[in-house]
Amino acid sequence: KAGVTQTPRYLIKTRGQQVTLSCSPISGHRSVSWYQQTPGQGLQFLFEYFSETQRNKGNFPGRFSGRQFSNSRSEMNVSTLELGDSALYLCASSLGQSNQPQHFGDGTRLSIL
Amino acid sequence: AQTVTQSQPEMSVQEAETVTLSCTYDTSENNYYLFWYKQPPSRQMILVIRQEAYKQQNATENRFSVNFQKAAKSFSLKISDSQLGDTAMYFCAFADPGATNKLIFGTGTLLAVQP
Repeated sequence: KAGVTQTPRYLIKTRGQQVTLSCSPISGHRSVSWYQQTPGQGLQFLFEYFSETQRNKGNFPGRFSGRQFSNSRSEMNVSTLELGDSALYLCASSLGQSNQPQHFGDGTRLSIL
Repeated sequence: AQTVTQSQPEMSVQEAETVTLSCTYDTSENNYYLFWYKQPPSRQMILVIRQEAYKQQNATENRFSVNFQKAAKSFSLKISDSQLGDTAMYFCAFADPGATNKLIFGTGTLLAVQP
């Protein structure tokens, strides 16, 4: 069974631009969660989608948004990029309940110049 | 709000020896889930072991076991017979059933297994 696939693996953008990251979950998984990992703040939860609905949201500004499609694939969008948005963005998929483990992708490394 | 604390930023262990990584958490919930994930240099987060708070028995997965002390809110990871491939960043994580799939992570412990 294929794992969680995130594209692209690396991305370089400049301040003020916007970016879209993609995540394809494991087949059969309906939940997709997004996390931001930085050296200073560690791993922080961004949001979770289940059956095309945002089910949970972390404490990030409105510039961070996401969506989920009917095939469970998810996208995350960041608008008006700031230097502090440079991070590894991780996506995780699961069957949907808290006791079910989340399976992570390799992440997208976003660098803002 | 729930918090997860890992007080050991770095640890080192000799190959074949045993090492214990510490994790404490704070919550007012009675039922929740705890996880240990490892993140090797390849950066993919891999689930090591999980524990459900209502289960008294400590979880075990091959060379990995936990010491779950609910009253003390402690969840340590023991790695037996350490191998070079265990070198990674280890994260303790908490999941609240009320916030499905929202993992709260600790700051991580960088474990180096020395030959």
